[in-house]
Amino acid sequence: GENVEQHPSTLSVQEGDSAVIKCTYSDSASNYFPWYKQELGKGPQLIIDIRSNVGEKKDQRIAVTLNKTAKHFSLHITETQPEDSAVYFCAASTNYGQNFVFGPGTRLSVLP
Amino acid sequence: NAGVTQTPKFQVLKTGQSMTLQCAQDMNHEYMSWYRQDPGMGLRLIHYSVGAGITDQGEVPNGYNVSRSTTEDFPLRLLSAAPSQTSVYFCASSYSTWQGAYEQYFGPGTRLTVT
Repeated sequence: GENVEQHPSTLSVQEGDSAVIKCTYSDSASNYFPWYKQELGKGPQLIIDIRSNVGEKKDQRIAVTLNKTAKHFSLHITETQPEDSAVYFCAASTNYGQNFVFGPGTRLSVLP
Repeated sequence: NAGVTQTPKFQVLKTGQSMTLQCAQDMNHEYMSWYRQDPGMGLRLIHYSVGAGITDQGEVPNGYNVSRSTTEDFPLRLLSAAPSQTSVYFCASSYSTWQGAYEQYFGPGTRLTVT
């Protein structure tokens, strides 16, 4: 079955710097890759997603890139702010989001 | 819209007890699912439903039952609680966007401790 790895497990950056989180997946049939942000005591919230027929997608300070050949996708956050501090999860799906396999998560800390 | 609601927020059970975690959504989403979240392991799918009357197993279904009698509700039943079921449980609902992918919305979670 699908396996999703995520690195790093923790990441600390200075406010204003960029943060990059990388995920790799094992099933070449995966076609949908969302990213979720989870704040303390809350459920995960979808922040950006990408389909397999797209290489890059941007939404203001957040971008996701996908390399299907290498089977990895990355989350890029620019101009980080303290409110970006949270746990971020990547996920992969082989049926456009009906079922997901999640990565183990990255705890991002943005230091003021 | 309240979105996805879960009750209770916290629960402590003794080994062998049974209970039902409630989940409801008011967005008319056809797809609902249950996950458990354990430290360092992300979220793992327990059961899911593609519509009222239809359920299927996910990655870790043992020890849990579900049913879906209405579009709105998707309860998760623990048949005989075990310490290994200590976890945070999330319910999610999703719908198919115009692009064909399913956007998923999560509830606030239920923190369950089994002693």
